[in-house]
Amino acid sequence: GAVVSQHPSWVICKSGTSVKIECRSLDFQATTMFWYRQFPKQSLMLMATSNEGSKATYEQGVEKDKFLINHASLTLSTLTVTSAHPEDSSFYICSPAGETQYFGPGTRLLVL
Amino acid sequence: QQQVKQSPQSLIVQKGGISIINCAYENTAFDYFPWYQQFPGKGPALLIAIRPDVSEKKEGRFTISFNKSAKQFSLHIMDSQPGDSATYFCAASVIETTDSWGKLQFGAGTQVVVTP
Repeated sequence: GAVVSQHPSWVICKSGTSVKIECRSLDFQATTMFWYRQFPKQSLMLMATSNEGSKATYEQGVEKDKFLINHASLTLSTLTVTSAHPEDSSFYICSPAGETQYFGPGTRLLVL
Repeated sequence: QQQVKQSPQSLIVQKGGISIINCAYENTAFDYFPWYQQFPGKGPALLIAIRPDVSEKKEGRFTISFNKSAKQFSLHIMDSQPGDSATYFCAASVIETTDSWGKLQFGAGTQVVVTP
Protein backbone atom coordinates (compact mmCIF):
# COMPACT_ATOMS: atom_id res chain seq x y z
CA GLY A 1 0.00 0.00 0.00
CA ALA A 2 0.94 3.66 -0.31
CA VAL A 3 3.40 4.86 2.27
CA VAL A 4 3.27 8.54 1.31
CA SER A 5 0.03 10.40 0.72
CA GLN A 6 -0.64 13.85 -0.65
CA HIS A 7 -3.71 15.98 -0.35
CA PRO A 8 -5.31 17.26 -2.42
CA SER A 9 -4.56 15.16 -5.50
CA TRP A 10 -5.54 18.07 -7.68
CA VAL A 11 -6.62 21.64 -7.14
CA ILE A 12 -7.81 24.50 -9.30
CA CYS A 13 -7.54 28.01 -7.92
CA LYS A 14 -7.79 31.60 -9.03
CA SER A 15 -4.71 33.71 -9.57
CA GLY A 16 -3.67 35.48 -6.38
CA THR A 17 -4.99 32.89 -3.97
CA SER A 18 -2.93 30.56 -1.78
CA VAL A 19 -2.98 26.80 -1.91
CA LYS A 20 -1.76 24.36 0.75
CA ILE A 21 -0.52 20.90 -0.18
CA GLU A 22 -0.12 18.26 2.51
CA CYS A 23 2.33 15.39 2.41
CA ARG A 24 2.04 12.61 4.97
CA SER A 25 4.33 9.67 5.60
CA LEU A 26 1.96 6.89 6.62
CA ASP A 27 4.04 4.11 8.13
CA PHE A 28 7.20 5.81 9.23
CA GLN A 29 8.64 9.02 10.57
CA ALA A 30 10.36 11.39 8.18
CA THR A 31 12.69 13.95 9.62
CA THR A 32 13.45 15.23 6.14
CA MET A 33 11.08 15.70 3.19
CA PHE A 34 12.00 16.70 -0.33
CA TRP A 35 9.61 18.72 -2.47
CA TYR A 36 9.81 18.43 -6.24
CA ARG A 37 8.02 20.25 -9.05
CA GLN A 38 7.31 18.80 -12.46
CA PHE A 39 6.03 20.86 -15.37
CA PRO A 40 4.14 19.02 -18.15
CA LYS A 41 6.36 16.77 -20.23
CA GLN A 42 9.38 17.77 -18.17
CA SER A 43 11.57 16.28 -15.51
CA LEU A 44 11.34 16.60 -11.75
CA MET A 45 13.19 19.52 -10.22
CA LEU A 46 14.03 19.68 -6.54
CA MET A 47 12.46 22.78 -5.01
CA ALA A 48 13.27 22.53 -1.34
CA THR A 49 14.16 20.32 1.56
CA SER A 50 12.07 20.47 4.70
CA ASN A 51 13.39 19.40 8.06
CA GLU A 52 11.21 18.64 11.05
CA GLY A 53 11.43 21.42 13.57
CA SER A 54 13.66 23.71 11.55
CA LYS A 55 13.59 25.99 8.54
CA ALA A 56 13.43 24.57 5.07
CA THR A 57 16.28 25.00 2.62
CA TYR A 58 15.46 26.09 -0.90
CA GLU A 59 17.17 25.36 -4.19
CA GLN A 60 18.57 28.21 -6.22
CA GLY A 61 15.87 30.12 -8.03
CA VAL A 62 13.01 29.00 -5.78
CA GLU A 63 11.36 31.85 -3.89
CA LYS A 64 11.12 30.93 -0.23
CA ASP A 65 8.48 33.59 0.42
CA LYS A 66 6.29 32.20 -2.32
CA PHE A 67 6.62 28.52 -1.48
CA LEU A 68 6.18 28.23 2.26
CA ILE A 69 7.16 24.90 3.74
CA ASN A 70 6.26 23.69 7.19
CA HIS A 71 7.40 20.42 8.70
CA ALA A 72 5.78 20.52 12.08
CA SER A 73 5.74 16.80 12.78
CA LEU A 74 7.56 13.67 11.73
CA THR A 75 4.63 12.56 9.61
CA LEU A 76 3.44 15.80 8.01
CA SER A 77 5.06 18.36 5.75
CA THR A 78 3.10 21.09 3.99
CA LEU A 79 3.85 23.26 0.98
CA THR A 80 1.86 26.46 0.59
CA VAL A 81 1.94 28.23 -2.73
CA THR A 82 1.20 31.84 -1.87
CA SER A 83 -0.34 34.32 -4.30
CA ALA A 84 -0.40 31.66 -6.97
CA HIS A 85 -0.05 32.65 -10.62
CA PRO A 86 -0.66 30.64 -13.79
CA GLU A 87 3.09 29.95 -14.12
CA ASP A 88 2.90 28.07 -10.80
CA SER A 89 0.63 25.50 -12.43
CA SER A 90 2.54 22.27 -12.09
CA PHE A 91 2.68 18.81 -10.53
CA TYR A 92 4.08 18.96 -6.99
CA ILE A 93 5.51 15.79 -5.51
CA CYS A 94 6.94 15.08 -2.07
CA SER A 95 9.43 12.40 -1.11
CA PRO A 96 10.63 11.57 2.39
CA ALA A 97 14.36 11.07 2.82
CA GLY A 98 15.43 7.48 3.28
CA GLU A 99 16.74 4.44 1.48
CA THR A 100 13.32 3.33 0.30
CA GLN A 101 12.82 6.59 -1.67
CA TYR A 102 9.09 6.62 -1.92
CA PHE A 103 7.41 9.44 -3.77
CA GLY A 104 3.99 10.77 -3.03
CA PRO A 105 1.28 10.43 -5.68
CA GLY A 106 1.61 14.12 -6.53
CA THR A 107 -0.68 17.15 -6.48
CA ARG A 108 -1.74 18.72 -9.74
CA LEU A 109 -2.15 22.50 -9.35
CA LEU A 110 -3.88 24.56 -11.99
CA VAL A 111 -3.96 28.32 -11.47
CA LEU A 112 -6.46 30.18 -13.61
CA GLN B 1 21.55 23.31 -16.03
CA GLN B 2 20.85 19.62 -16.06
CA GLN B 3 23.50 17.74 -14.13
CA VAL B 4 22.38 14.42 -15.55
CA LYS B 5 21.93 14.12 -19.32
CA GLN B 6 19.52 11.46 -20.56
CA SER B 7 18.88 10.06 -24.01
CA PRO B 8 16.93 9.30 -26.08
CA GLN B 9 13.99 11.59 -25.43
CA SER B 10 11.64 8.90 -26.64
CA LEU B 11 11.74 5.43 -28.08
CA ILE B 12 9.39 2.90 -29.56
CA VAL B 13 10.08 -0.80 -29.13
CA GLN B 14 8.16 -3.87 -30.11
CA LYS B 15 6.86 -6.27 -27.52
CA GLY B 16 9.62 -8.64 -26.55
CA GLY B 17 12.35 -6.23 -27.60
CA ILE B 18 15.01 -4.49 -25.54
CA SER B 19 14.70 -0.86 -24.46
CA ILE B 20 17.96 0.93 -23.76
CA ILE B 21 18.18 4.33 -22.10
CA ASN B 22 21.44 6.13 -21.45
CA CYS B 23 22.52 8.73 -18.94
CA ALA B 24 25.72 10.68 -18.38
CA TYR B 25 26.85 12.86 -15.51
CA GLU B 26 29.69 15.23 -14.71
CA ASN B 27 29.74 15.48 -10.94
CA THR B 28 32.13 12.79 -9.72
CA ALA B 29 30.76 13.22 -6.20
CA PHE B 30 27.57 11.42 -7.23
CA ASP B 31 27.54 8.00 -5.60
CA TYR B 32 24.00 6.76 -6.07
CA PHE B 33 22.24 6.24 -9.40
CA PRO B 34 18.58 5.20 -9.39
CA TRP B 35 16.08 4.76 -12.19
CA TYR B 36 12.42 5.64 -11.88
CA GLN B 37 9.31 4.74 -13.80
CA GLN B 38 6.47 7.23 -14.01
CA PHE B 39 2.99 6.78 -15.41
CA PRO B 40 0.90 9.83 -16.41
CA GLY B 41 -0.53 11.63 -13.40
CA LYS B 42 1.40 9.53 -10.89
CA GLY B 43 4.47 10.00 -8.78
CA PRO B 44 7.66 8.23 -9.88
CA ALA B 45 8.40 4.76 -8.59
CA LEU B 46 11.87 3.40 -7.94
CA LEU B 47 12.79 0.63 -10.37
CA ILE B 48 16.39 -0.19 -9.65
CA ALA B 49 19.47 1.60 -8.35
CA ILE B 50 23.22 1.15 -8.34
CA ARG B 51 26.22 2.40 -6.39
CA PRO B 52 29.52 3.08 -8.20
CA ASP B 53 31.33 0.11 -6.68
CA VAL B 54 29.57 -2.29 -9.07
CA SER B 55 29.39 -2.25 -12.86
CA GLU B 56 26.08 -4.02 -13.32
CA LYS B 57 22.95 -4.81 -11.38
CA LYS B 58 20.02 -6.89 -12.51
CA GLU B 59 16.54 -7.15 -11.07
CA GLY B 60 14.12 -9.19 -13.09
CA ARG B 61 13.87 -7.71 -16.59
CA PHE B 62 15.68 -4.52 -15.59
CA THR B 63 19.46 -4.14 -15.71
CA ILE B 64 21.65 -1.16 -14.91
CA SER B 65 25.09 -0.96 -16.49
CA PHE B 66 27.49 1.50 -14.90
CA ASN B 67 30.74 2.83 -16.34
CA LYS B 68 32.50 4.91 -13.72
CA SER B 69 35.40 6.02 -15.90
CA ALA B 70 33.06 7.24 -18.63
CA LYS B 71 30.61 8.67 -16.10
CA GLN B 72 27.76 6.93 -17.83
CA PHE B 73 25.04 4.52 -16.82
CA SER B 74 22.22 2.88 -18.68
CA LEU B 75 18.98 1.03 -18.15
CA HIS B 76 18.14 -2.04 -20.18
CA ILE B 77 14.57 -3.33 -20.18
CA MET B 78 14.54 -6.88 -21.47
CA ASP B 79 11.49 -8.55 -23.02
CA SER B 80 9.65 -5.23 -23.09
CA GLN B 81 5.89 -5.44 -22.50
CA PRO B 82 3.08 -2.99 -23.32
CA GLY B 83 2.70 -2.40 -19.57
CA ASP B 84 6.23 -1.00 -19.55
CA SER B 85 5.03 1.97 -21.62
CA ALA B 86 5.88 4.89 -19.35
CA THR B 87 8.37 7.66 -18.83
CA TYR B 88 11.69 6.61 -17.34
CA PHE B 89 14.00 8.93 -15.45
CA CYS B 90 17.56 8.40 -14.42
CA ALA B 91 18.81 10.28 -11.42
CA ALA B 92 21.92 10.83 -9.35
CA SER B 93 22.61 11.77 -5.79
CA VAL B 94 25.35 12.27 -3.25
CA ILE B 95 24.64 10.13 -0.21
CA GLU B 96 26.11 11.96 2.77
CA THR B 97 23.67 10.94 5.47
CA THR B 98 20.44 8.98 5.75
CA ASP B 99 18.63 12.28 5.37
CA SER B 100 20.19 12.95 1.96
CA TRP B 101 18.81 9.75 0.42
CA GLY B 102 16.26 11.05 -2.02
CA LYS B 103 17.84 14.43 -2.77
CA LEU B 104 18.04 13.73 -6.47
CA GLN B 105 19.15 15.33 -9.70
CA PHE B 106 16.96 13.90 -12.45
CA GLY B 107 17.60 13.36 -16.13
CA ALA B 108 15.16 14.81 -18.65
CA GLY B 109 13.23 11.58 -19.04
CA THR B 110 12.60 9.06 -21.81
CA GLN B 111 9.12 8.22 -22.99
CA VAL B 112 9.00 4.54 -23.86
CA VAL B 113 6.22 3.10 -25.98
CA VAL B 114 6.01 -0.66 -26.33
CA THR B 115 3.91 -1.73 -29.29
CA PRO B 116 1.96 -5.00 -29.22
